[in-house]
Amino acid sequence: AQSVSQHNHHVILSEAASLELGCNYSYGGTVNLFWYVQYPGQHLQLLLKYFSGDPLVKGIKGFEAEFIKSKFSFNLRKPSVQWSDTAEYFCAVNQGGGTYKYIFGTGTRLKVLA
Amino acid sequence: NAGVTQTPKFQVLKTGQSMTLQCAQDMNHNSMYWYRQDPGMGLRLIYYSASEGTTDKGEVPNGYNVSRLNKREFSLRLESAAPSQTSVYFCASSEEAGIPQHFGDGTRLSIL
Repeated sequence: AQSVSQHNHHVILSEAASLELGCNYSYGGTVNLFWYVQYPGQHLQLLLKYFSGDPLVKGIKGFEAEFIKSKFSFNLRKPSVQWSDTAEYFCAVNQGGGTYKYIFGTGTRLKVLA
Repeated sequence: NAGVTQTPKFQVLKTGQSMTLQCAQDMNHNSMYWYRQDPGMGLRLIYYSASEGTTDKGEVPNGYNVSRLNKREFSLRLESAAPSQTSVYFCASSEEAGIPQHFGDGTRLSIL
């Protein structure tokens, strides 16, 4: 069965530190890849998405993610985090071809210390 | 503000009771979804509706029914609640097919 793994469940960083959150999936075919963010007290929102083309995808608020097909990975990065980036981050994979069946990772809670 | 509205926000039920979770979006989206979120398991798709008048099963549909009443509204019904259905339920909608983009605030449901 397909799965999505986010190995870091909790991450604590100081402001201005660089961030990289891991996401690996297990599906050999065409995939669409996504990162979602849930800020404290807010609803889940789409951060960025990858369908095809340039494997380096830029999203909102300075986030980016890189698709490495050979590693089945789609890691989220930000060069310099801010206190306001404190949130829970979810990776998701869709098998492409218009399917509605997403698989979400279990999430990574990021805490940024001011 | 435009968005996805879910009601209620909290609910406690006894085993065997029924209830309907309501969801409405005002963005004129075709696609709507119901997810449940459980600790350590991420979000799992219960049902989705690609367009008004259509609904399809997701990953964990057992014990649930849905109705796409019109383009705005997509309700989730538990006919006979079970403790295993204790969870946080999220409704979502999207303009792009299959990609949930706008989520509601969630309904925290406890079944005793």
